[in-house]
Amino acid sequence: DTEVTQTPKHLVMGMTNKKSLKCEQHMGHRAMYWYKQKAKKPPELMFVYSYEKLSINESVPSRFSPECPNSSLLNLHLHALQPEDSALYLCASSQGGQGPGVRQSGNTIYFGEGSWLTVV
Amino acid sequence: AQSVSQHNHHVILSEAASLELGCNYSYGGTVNLFWYVQYPGQHLQLLLKYFSGDPLVKGIKGFEAEFIKSKFSFNLRKPSVQWSDTAEYFCAASNSGGYQKVTFGIGTKLQVIP
Repeated sequence: DTEVTQTPKHLVMGMTNKKSLKCEQHMGHRAMYWYKQKAKKPPELMFVYSYEKLSINESVPSRFSPECPNSSLLNLHLHALQPEDSALYLCASSQGGQGPGVRQSGNTIYFGEGSWLTVV
Repeated sequence: AQSVSQHNHHVILSEAASLELGCNYSYGGTVNLFWYVQYPGQHLQLLLKYFSGDPLVKGIKGFEAEFIKSKFSFNLRKPSVQWSDTAEYFCAASNSGGYQKVTFGIGTKLQVIP
């Protein structure tokens, strides 16, 4: 099973709302990611969690707040967003880890179907 | 700096034509290489990947890619395209081991005309 599940698939929110995007994987992966993809553009990395700790924050504005409650879940809390934040938000995971115990296939990143966010 | 370049931004082919999409990368150390496809309105799907070993990699749906280390290239090929191959194709690269910071190319939009 190589599945990353994201909810909701579509979200419309006002600029004063607080909402969250959720991501779940049950592949035992220890690295999880949030990407943002605007129309006709490649995905851009936002955050990386490794072993439930934030490892990379690509200078993302504080109105986006990631959370990793456990090794299977990754949330993205949204508050006071702007219309230009409207995009497809992709969650991904990979096995993570290093050393002889990590299979090469662990370097593959699996993407969820994404959450389409519209800020009005 | 790590980067991935895709040279063809929009390709139009007739069905049964052969396809080659160019991809070059600039990465320090051991690199993993990927091709992802995104059909209209859908999510990213992995077409194929290269970690090590045989530089000619075969993926799903008849696609293959060749890693040429001396040219820092990982071009995608398909001998005969179909209308259903119409999609956006992204070349990507990441470091090896641990968590991956994946860098995507700008993407190539492939349009196959019946």
